[in-house]
Order: sequence, then structure tokens, then C-alpha cells
Amino acid sequence: AQKVTQAQTEISVVEKEDVTLDCVYETRDTTYYLFWYKQPPSGELVFLIRRNSFDEQNEISGRYSWNFQKSTSSFNFTITASQVVDSAVYFCALSEAADDYKLSFGAGTTVTVRA
Amino acid sequence: DAGVIQSPRHEVTEMGQEVTLRCKPISGHDYLFWYRQTMMRGLELLIYFNNNVPIDDSGMPEDRFSAKMPNASFSTLKIQPSEPRDSAVYFCASSFTLRVSNTGELFFGEGSRLTVL
Repeated sequence: AQKVTQAQTEISVVEKEDVTLDCVYETRDTTYYLFWYKQPPSGELVFLIRRNSFDEQNEISGRYSWNFQKSTSSFNFTITASQVVDSAVYFCALSEAADDYKLSFGAGTTVTVRA
Repeated sequence: DAGVIQSPRHEVTEMGQEVTLRCKPISGHDYLFWYRQTMMRGLELLIYFNNNVPIDDSGMPEDRFSAKMPNASFSTLKIQPSEPRDSAVYFCASSFTLRVSNTGELFFGEGSRLTVL
């Protein structure tokens, strides 16, 4: 069963628009971590954020913000005032205590920001 | 500090040939992972090691794939014989620990893009 679902395959926006990427996860663990990674066209995977299951406080880092809601098992990611450099594939991932904290990735959402 | 180093960055080979991908994890990291990325299947965990010992190889596609970690600073992923469907980007990643007390963040290499003709 898919543990992490990123329903949006592709999103295309014009520069300066906000874009929200959805992530829904599934776990029976009470202890788990959620992650977002960015994969720019150059191909490397860049860590963006980690959230643990005990901390539902939302986080903002510059133009990036994350909304963690355990009630809906979601960990959504918003890019405010998008820029062309934000064009990339974004992956949501889950690690669970019961699975030795291995990372399970979602299918990714391709974001294209047009000038 | 050097990150996770993978080689080769690109490999083109013919079906039936042996392919060896190499990885040097970040010094001090005790977990090492091999992932495969394809358009069809996304990012799949193939195998991971803890302190050089393979812990879970359930993601390895078939017997043609093998991975070793002879020491803390080196790992290989071998495909023998290679097939066109093995064409993918193979990522190596390392982590200090996966446990609650640490960040659990994986540090990825730049990947090895394999094309099997």
C-alpha cells in the first residue's frame, strides 16, 4: 500500500503565484517523521524539512511554509511568490518507527514556474 | 565537508554487461541506502546497510542485483547481467542514524544515471 500520496502530478504556475503541494500519508505508528525533498533539473535530491509526529506546529522558512495536520494525515507545502528557480520535482516522504525509520517517498509533484 | 560521492555519474552499457556503481558515504554515517528512480516507479529503496551490514534487501529487484559494503566508507551496487529495464538513476544516501534522537535526514549523492542499450 502506498504510504505517501502526492495526488498532484504536475503544477504549472506563473512567477509570483503561490503554489501548494499536497501530501497525504498513511501510518499506524505514533512515532514517525515527515520530510520534503526537492529535486531540481540537475537531479540531486535536496532536503527541505523534517517534521516529527509530535510537533504539529506549522513552519515557515522564507518563501516556504508547511502545514502539518495529523487529523487529516496531511503535510502540505506552500511556496509563496514562486520563482523560476523553484521549478523542480518535490517529494514528500515518511519514515516510521515500525519500519526502522526508512524513508518511503511519494511519487513526486513536478512544479513548473513560468516567467 | 564532502557529501555522499557516487561514481560513475553516467554509464551507458549494452545488455548483458556487468555494471558496478560505487558510493562513498559521509564519514561517520552508519546507515547507507541505495535507491532507484524511474519514471514509472518513482524512488524505490533497494537495500540499506547499518554499520556495513545489510539490514533489508527486500527492495532488490532480482538476483541480478547485489550490493556490498566492505567497509564504512565504501559500497557497491552491482547488476549482472544488465537489462534495458534496469535503466534508471541510482542514488546512494547516508545518514548518521535513523533513530528518534537524531534528525533522520538522509544525505543523497548526485546519482548515477544508468542506460542499458
